[in-house]
Amino acid sequence: AQSVAQPEDQVNVAEGNPLTVKCTYSVSGNPYLFWYVQYPNRGLQFLLKYITGDNLVKGSYGFEAEFNKSQTSFHLKKPSALVSDSALYFCAVIDDYKLSFGAGTTVTVRA
Amino acid sequence: EAGVAQSPRYKIIEKRQSVAFWCNPISGHATLYWYQQILGQGPKLLIQFQNNGVVDDSQLPKDRFSAERLKGVDSTLKIQPAKLEDSAVYLCASSLLAGAEQFFGPGTRLTVL
Repeated sequence: AQSVAQPEDQVNVAEGNPLTVKCTYSVSGNPYLFWYVQYPNRGLQFLLKYITGDNLVKGSYGFEAEFNKSQTSFHLKKPSALVSDSALYFCAVIDDYKLSFGAGTTVTVRA
Repeated sequence: EAGVAQSPRYKIIEKRQSVAFWCNPISGHATLYWYQQILGQGPKLLIQFQNNGVVDDSQLPKDRFSAERLKGVDSTLKIQPAKLEDSAVYLCASSLLAGAEQFFGPGTRLTVL
């Protein structure tokens, strides 16, 4: 079974609107969760992580993510999206000591 | 600090040829990873090194793929012979310790014709 799922292949929002990218996980024990972003022709860049502590995690470029144990979710959010946020976003979880990635969600922010 | 370096950035070969990729991790990072990212999919771990020892190579197609990290720093990933389905981006990443935040290189885009 897949350790992490991103149910949306694409998310389209207008600039200035809130952005949410969904992620659910399936691992035993306490999850270590990550979000990465990938711009065209570039490697993955780390955005934020949840290990323990507050359920709301703040990361780079104004992004944040909320860990919800009961829903096994770790959705990425940004209150006001920018055109420059258009990229491919990956959720990942440590599973059996390996980083397991979701299939990715393409975010397009239109001006 | 300098990031993870990879070369070449792009490579085009014909099937059955051989190819090698090089990675230089962030200085001091003990753990090095090679991932394969096929178009439209998330990266898949091929092999993980801790210093110069292999920690996990369960998803490495060992009949054609090999990797080494002889001095615990740089690493090379080789494919011999290549197949059409090996067309992908090969990402190298490093972390201070296993399980810590991973830093990724820009990747090598391989096209097998």
